Amino acid sequence: NAGVTQTPKFRVLKTGQSMTLLCAQDMNHEYMYWYRQDPGMGLRLIHYSVGEGTTAKGEVPDGYNVSRLKKQNFLLGLESAAPSQTSVYFCASSPRDRGNSPLHFGNGTRLTVT
Amino acid sequence: DAKTTQPNSMESNEEEPVHLPCNHSTISGTDYIHWYRQLPSQGPEYVIHGLTSNVNNRMASLAIAEDRKSSTLILHRATLRDAAVYYCILSTSGTYKYIFGTGTRLKVLA
Repeated sequence: NAGVTQTPKFRVLKTGQSMTLLCAQDMNHEYMYWYRQDPGMGLRLIHYSVGEGTTAKGEVPDGYNVSRLKKQNFLLGLESAAPSQTSVYFCASSPRDRGNSPLHFGNGTRLTVT
Repeated sequence: DAKTTQPNSMESNEEEPVHLPCNHSTISGTDYIHWYRQLPSQGPEYVIHGLTSNVNNRMASLAIAEDRKSSTLILHRATLRDAAVYYCILSTSGTYKYIFGTGTRLKVLA
């Protein structure tokens, strides 16, 4: 059972380039989340989704777009990368259980924008 | 969104109990209290969660105040492997977006 898988694990982009981070979960979870973590900081919520076809903004959504076309996948897009988006990105998922279930995290994607 | 407040850092001696506090004075009646920890260079890892009653599992215990405005994560015997950043977060009612704060960095002394 793979759990939450993030692709890629590492990426280096030049300013202005675009990319998509993929998060896939095989636990049939309704809720999925994208966080970013800057060095020495806590996690900040970028966007989240409470079901297929739905997305919502988190704390720091600017510069990112997301899509949840399939229940098991949650994509995070950077249309025009900036050095300020250098960070480690974590995806998480949880079942629809009114908060009574834990978040399951992926291993992260380390993104550097030069 | 309900916020949590934790001390920035704590220290403990190995094999002694550790009590990590968390304040959440604006918690609503249906918010669950979750604890996660993050080891260096890893993603967050679930530790424990609860609503009103104290909870125990193989990793830790969670003590929740009667008014639910604070909680304490208890590690019964700290080991060097417990050195991590511990996050207390709430499952915000209705939206279920989990907002992390800066957490408590636990240092375990040999």
